[in-house]
Amino acid sequence: AQSVTQLGSHVSVSEGALVLLRCNYSSSVPPYLFWYVQYPNQGLQLLLKYTTGATLVKGINGFEAEFKKSETSFHLTKPSAHMSDAAEYFCAVSDRGSGGYQKVTFGIGTKLQVIP
Amino acid sequence: NAGVTQTPKFRVLKTGQSMTLLCAQDMNHEYMYWYRQDPGMGLRLIHYSVGEGTTAKGEVPDGYNVSRLKKQNFLLGLESAAPSQTSVYFCATSVTGRAVSYEQYFGPGTRLTVT
Repeated sequence: AQSVTQLGSHVSVSEGALVLLRCNYSSSVPPYLFWYVQYPNQGLQLLLKYTTGATLVKGINGFEAEFKKSETSFHLTKPSAHMSDAAEYFCAVSDRGSGGYQKVTFGIGTKLQVIP
Repeated sequence: NAGVTQTPKFRVLKTGQSMTLLCAQDMNHEYMYWYRQDPGMGLRLIHYSVGEGTTAKGEVPDGYNVSRLKKQNFLLGLESAAPSQTSVYFCATSVTGRAVSYEQYFGPGTRLTVT
C-alpha cells in the first residue's frame, strides 16, 4: 500500500529564507507525486507534479521539487520565502486503487509560517 | 467558468439531523470525489464516482451516502449526523481516474459542525 510521510507538521522560516518541506513516500510501483497548497479557508490547488521524465520539477510561485528514487523522497523547496507563501502544503502520491480507479494518498500536511 | 463549487459553505447541525452537501463542476470531468479533512489526518476519501450513475466507497464511507444522477453534480448525504462528522468536506474532480497521473481539482470546502 502506498503512503506519504511529511516530516514536520509546522515549519517556520524568515521572509527571504530558504523553504524546505520534506516528503517521503512508499509505493510499490513507479510513483506519481504531487504537491498541493491550501491557503486559509480555501480548497487545495496544485503546486506541481512528477509523473515521468525530469526529476527536478518546477511549479507555480517559484516552488520546485526533486524526485529522488533512491531516497523515496519528493521534497519541496523555494529559494526565498515570501509572506504570501504562508499556507498548508500537502504531499500526495497517486496509484491505482483496488477498484481500478486513481487512488490518491495525502500526507497530513505541513503548515508553513513566514516570519517578517 | 466556475470550476468546482460547493454548497453550503458552512453548516451547523444537531446530532441526528440530516443534510446534503452539493458539489457541482463545469469542467466535464469524469471522476468526482468527496474527502473530509481533519486536523493532523490530512484528507481522507469518503466516496467517489467514476461517472454518471456510478458511485463507490472510499476509505471512510460509514455514515455517508452519495449520488451522482448528473455528470456535473455529486451529492454527499448525512442521514443522521454525529459529532464525529464535524469536519471540513472537500469535493474534487479529475479528468479521468483511469490514468493516475492527472491532478485533482478541489472545491472551496464546506465546514460542518455537529453539536
